[in-house]
Amino acid sequence: AQKITQTQPGMFVQEKEAVTLDCTYDTSDQSYGLFWYKQPSSGEMIFLIYQGSYDEQNATEGRYSLNFQKARKSANLVISASQLGDSAMYFCAMREGYLYSSASKIIFGSGTRLSIRP
Amino acid sequence: GAVVSQHPSRVICKSGTSVKIECRSLDFQATTMFWYRQFPKQSLMLMATSNEGSKATYEQGVEKDKFLINHASLTLSTLTVTSAHPEDSSFYICSARAWDPSSGNTIYFGEGSWLTVV
Repeated sequence: AQKITQTQPGMFVQEKEAVTLDCTYDTSDQSYGLFWYKQPSSGEMIFLIYQGSYDEQNATEGRYSLNFQKARKSANLVISASQLGDSAMYFCAMREGYLYSSASKIIFGSGTRLSIRP
Repeated sequence: GAVVSQHPSRVICKSGTSVKIECRSLDFQATTMFWYRQFPKQSLMLMATSNEGSKATYEQGVEKDKFLINHASLTLSTLTVTSAHPEDSSFYICSARAWDPSSGNTIYFGEGSWLTVV
């Protein structure tokens, strides 16, 4: 069963608008972490934001915020005031297992291609 | 954030030859490194987990003898594609586990390597 689901294969957004990228996950672990990565056309993966399963407040990093709804198992990424440079693939990822465990792995969703229109 | 360097960024090799890709953590020691493969417009697929000083753990379906992984030091892991064939052409990306007090085990990625086998 798919553990990380990104239902939006592609999105087009007008520059300066806010955009929400959806991510739902499935895990039976009590301790887990959720990540968002950005992948430009050049291929590198850029870490954007992290949310721990026990964190009570939603994570924010500059224009990025993570809308964490634990009961619904969703971890949507919100980008405020989108810029042309935000055009890229965005991957939601989950680390299963205890925070301090060296055995934990990260699994990825299928990604959402975000295109910003000028 | 932590820096991971991957080399070469692009490589073309002849069918039947072997090619080595290096992954270095530049400003931290990485006891664990990961190798991913990404097909066009798809998500990252974990190939193997590399632990310093021990044998790599391969994911199901990944040929150990074809994709040789060596993690000789805390800052260097190498992936060797042996007897490469055109179907091995892909984007290979490494990552290293870094510990951060705020996010626990976070994965930082190299720039990726485009392999073309002709």
